[in-house]
Amino acid sequence: KNQVEQSPQSLIILEGKNCTLQCNYTVSPFSNLRWYKQDTGRGPVSLTIMTFSENTKSNGRYTATLDADTKQSSLHITASQLSDSASYICVVSAYSSASKIIFGSGTRLSIRP
Amino acid sequence: NAGVTQTPKFQVLKTGQSMTLQCAQDMNHEYMSWYRQDPGMGLRLIHYSVGAGITDQGEVPNGYNVSRSTTEDFPLRLLSAAPSQTSVYFCASSRRQEGGGGNTEAFFGQGTRLTVV
Repeated sequence: KNQVEQSPQSLIILEGKNCTLQCNYTVSPFSNLRWYKQDTGRGPVSLTIMTFSENTKSNGRYTATLDADTKQSSLHITASQLSDSASYICVVSAYSSASKIIFGSGTRLSIRP
Repeated sequence: NAGVTQTPKFQVLKTGQSMTLQCAQDMNHEYMSWYRQDPGMGLRLIHYSVGAGITDQGEVPNGYNVSRSTTEDFPLRLLSAAPSQTSVYFCASSRRQEGGGGNTEAFFGQGTRLTVV
């Protein structure tokens, strides 16, 4: 069964600290993996996309990694800011069908001053 | 540049009532989809469309209907609302990706918070 599991469910860190969010998936055949940020009361917004051949990709203070062999991805946030408080959703796509896009349940990140 | 526009933002229905959630996009995207988001769960696909005149069921289609008469609009209809349909609903659109890879960047609306009492 195609699944996307994220950990931790929630995380609280102090402003300025770094953190890493995890995503494990069993989606097959794997096409790509995307991380979204969802602010409270808003729709998700794409942060980055990883394809099979990519190991790491950065978007400002966000760095995503992908290990296609172990089917794991991580999202690392550097020097966190209050505006990073949000839910982060891992989304994995399988080849050939628009409906084969599996959403993780997200990690809720809270940044405290 | 409006992107994806959903209306209404909030709605309260009584059990058995029907209503339509509106969704419009101005990016000429082929793909449009509806999701529901419940606490502690990932977004779940209700229905999707790969182009005007074409719709298909997602993971949780029961109790919902859709149509796609134009590229821009993709309304979601609740036929007879039930308390189990209390949720936050998101409409999304994305362009078609060559090669069937899927997961092109999806642009989401602001969401509709629906409560059925």
